[in-house]
Amino acid sequence: SQQGEEDPQALSIQEGENATMNCSYKTSINNLQWYRQNSGRGLVHLILIRSNEREKHSGRLRVTLDTSKKSSSLLITASRAADTASYFCARMDSNYQLIWGAGTKLIIKP
Amino acid sequence: EPEVTQTPSHQVTQMGQEVILRCVPISNHLYFYWYRQILGQKVEFLVSFYNNEISEKSEIFDDQFSVERPDGSNFTLKIRSTKLEDSAMYFCASSEPFNYEQFFGPGTRLTVL
Repeated sequence: SQQGEEDPQALSIQEGENATMNCSYKTSINNLQWYRQNSGRGLVHLILIRSNEREKHSGRLRVTLDTSKKSSSLLITASRAADTASYFCARMDSNYQLIWGAGTKLIIKP
Repeated sequence: EPEVTQTPSHQVTQMGQEVILRCVPISNHLYFYWYRQILGQKVEFLVSFYNNEISEKSEIFDDQFSVERPDGSNFTLKIRSTKLEDSAMYFCASSEPFNYEQFFGPGTRLTVL
């Protein structure tokens, strides 16, 4: 499959802890993007990391990319209840299509 | 802040009926996309559209599907004869030229009975 695969499929942590989600892919990428989706709602773009970048930050979010291992990780620091959502990685292929992973369902317990 | 809008938020239709899902992309964007997400499953690419024509389409986007930009603001997805398996959330997205970030609308939940 050319699609990304996230792990874990589900993650439940206490508020204030850090959450790490991983994404792997099989083919080359132009860039890789992370999105959040609250239950039954739309997709919110979080971070885009290009194939020549290794790390990007946005507020409490940190994304890393290891092209040699074809993997990326999303770290959310100091998690809050409002971070409860599903998180998806999507790789952009050479045709500029976004190929999506299955997502990680993150639950932050207050 | 500009955003992508979609109407309706929920559409219920009978199998075999035609549906048109509407999207208003962000005004200065030139690339438009449709994706779908069957409940509990991955988001799937359907089609991309640029310069009034389809740029790419997936295997899902068969002859039952069509897209149109009927005027300067709307971007529509038509399903000619809906099947039960077309039930899904349909997302529209748009992006600027030379910018890979795609902005998504809130989605239309299509239920085919």
